[in-house]
Amino acid sequence: GESVGLHLPTLSVQEGDNSIINCAYSNSASDYFIWYKQESGKGPQFIIDIRSNMDKRQGQRVTVLLNKTVKHLSLQIAATQPGDSAVYFCAENIPNTGNQFYFGTGTSLTVIP
Amino acid sequence: EAQVTQNPRYLITVTGKKLTVTCSQNMNHEYMSWYRQDPGLGLRQIYYSMNVEVTDKGDVPEGYKVSRKEKRNFPLILESPSPNQTSLYFCASKKLAGFTGELFFGEGSRLTVL
Repeated sequence: GESVGLHLPTLSVQEGDNSIINCAYSNSASDYFIWYKQESGKGPQFIIDIRSNMDKRQGQRVTVLLNKTVKHLSLQIAATQPGDSAVYFCAENIPNTGNQFYFGTGTSLTVIP
Repeated sequence: EAQVTQNPRYLITVTGKKLTVTCSQNMNHEYMSWYRQDPGLGLRQIYYSMNVEVTDKGDVPEGYKVSRKEKRNFPLILESPSPNQTSLYFCASKKLAGFTGELFFGEGSRLTVL
């Protein structure tokens, strides 16, 4: 399944399926992006990052894709597990804004066992 | 264990009563930052610090103060809290002050101002 993450939409997937979470970022000058995972009652946790000079970056079970033409970022989670249930949000860094990151509102992922 | 520690985790207070939320990191990070998280708005930056004695305003600094007298500590001060400061607050740090790099977050401090 996939969803667009700006107003905390929800996404439910079966355990073992792949998940795709999308993010539309705001500024074409943004040069660095991070995906975070936030479990209930906890602080956000870094998942993966990507610079604007890349289109794709892979980690362990996760892949981030960047489409600068349409200002779109996606996070793909392979073989989704119950422990992946959380809110996922992207953050963008806009140059010359003094180390500020701008965060999306997130997508809530629920993994059905 | 590498971590960012915030205290208190939960606080209910009344309008006008000064409070401080402490933040400490044990990773020798240069950069520290405070965010507030509100439903439908995502994380918004309040203040950040690129190193000791260097602090700057983020997007929503009104009503808050910070200080960075030591590298490990970055307290958030609400001199006269108001109900619109009811929120979930996160402190974060990262190794260097450049724009790349992983932000490590604390567990959050849920503040209610009556």
